[in-house]
Amino acid sequence: NAGVTQTPKFRILKIGQSMTLQCTQDMNHNYMYWYRQDPGMGLKLIYYSVGAGITDKGEVPNGYNVSRSTTEDFPLRLELAAPSQTSVYFCASRDTPGSYNEQFFGPGTRLTVL
Amino acid sequence: AQTVTQSQPEMSVQEAETVTLSCTYDTSESDYYLFWYKQPPSRQMILVIRQEAYKQQNATENRFSVNFQKAAKSFSLKISDSQLGDAAMYFCAYRRGRGTGNQFYFGTGTSLTVIP
Repeated sequence: NAGVTQTPKFRILKIGQSMTLQCTQDMNHNYMYWYRQDPGMGLKLIYYSVGAGITDKGEVPNGYNVSRSTTEDFPLRLELAAPSQTSVYFCASRDTPGSYNEQFFGPGTRLTVL
Repeated sequence: AQTVTQSQPEMSVQEAETVTLSCTYDTSESDYYLFWYKQPPSRQMILVIRQEAYKQQNATENRFSVNFQKAAKSFSLKISDSQLGDAAMYFCAYRRGRGTGNQFYFGTGTSLTVIP
């Protein structure tokens, strides 16, 4: 099992550019999450999904979009990049049912917007 | 929204000694779960230990144990016999037990340095 994989690992964007952060998990987990981690801070939830075709906003969704067409993939889209979106982005997945279940995290994508 | 507070931005411990990291949380729920995650310089988030709120007994995983005080809404992590590999950021996290979404809420983290 590869677990949760994210691509790319690093990316530099110019203001106004768009990009998609890819996330794939091979554990057949229903729940998937996108977080951002700003320097010296904890993780903030951007969007999450409870299954294919179902997504919902987290704490900080503005400037982002997601889709979930398959169980495995949960891409995060930035449409008009802004410097405030400079951060490290983590994707995570979790099995259900079982409320005790932990989240499994990908290695993160470091995004810089200049 | 739930809040998770880690009041110690940085901690240090001598190798082989014991250190305790603090975490408090705010919730009106009675059914929830608490977690400690470790983030080494590689940035990979790794689960250290977890606790179910309805369990009285404190969770233990080898050198890691928690002191869960439900009434005080406190969830501290104790690391015994500290090792150099324990150096990392540690995040406390909360998740509600019921309902959809099941969002995790994270604290701001404690950076742990292990001194040889």
